[in-house]
Amino acid sequence: TQLLEQSPQFLSIQEGENLTVYCNSSSVFSSLQWYRQEPGEGPVLLVTVVTGGEVKKLKRLTFQFGDARKDSSLHITAAQPGDTGLYLCAGGPLRGTDKLIFGTGTRLQVFP
Amino acid sequence: DSGVTQTPKHLITATGQRVTLRCSPRSGDLSVYWYQQSLDQGLQFLIQYYNGEERAKGNILERFSAQQFPDLHSELNLSSLELGDSALYFCASSTRRITNTGELFFGEGSRLTVL
Repeated sequence: TQLLEQSPQFLSIQEGENLTVYCNSSSVFSSLQWYRQEPGEGPVLLVTVVTGGEVKKLKRLTFQFGDARKDSSLHITAAQPGDTGLYLCAGGPLRGTDKLIFGTGTRLQVFP
Repeated sequence: DSGVTQTPKHLITATGQRVTLRCSPRSGDLSVYWYQQSLDQGLQFLIQYYNGEERAKGNILERFSAQQFPDLHSELNLSSLELGDSALYFCASSTRRITNTGELFFGEGSRLTVL
């Protein structure tokens, strides 16, 4: 059972455009992480949000945790080819477990 | 370099065979997680160990098993392999038992191809 749904699944844009990736669940998570994975490599953590309504900025990337801690979004301003990759949200831990559940992933391609 | 080492990087085998994937976590990390990634999709949680003990189980098939040894390295055993088992298998480690705010450090993965 996939608890975290990401949208869109694929995104292909031109350099300089803005974009938003969504991560939604019916479950409440104590924290939400965003990872980026490049071909041939493992995912690398971008940010962790833990408080409902929290907003974190990492240069051109803005991350938001929903008030109810069930959803999150990643907004990229003025995308660059270097932003290309697979973006994964991860929620956890589920109550009583140490599980960190990953979303379905969003594949981003930024063309020069 | 995340500090997590996985071997082998690539593995090609036939249906019905058995393979073992190995993971050495970052120095000092007690938690080891195994994930399966198929066709560039999201990561499916398989199992987690903390300091040698199984802590959490995901959608791990009965044909798969894992363990964490006293030196904290972990092995994932896949048996009676089927074509659908072809995937990238990632190992990740973290310092904390509870990954509330902790970071997972991933290895580069082991790509398994079952023919």
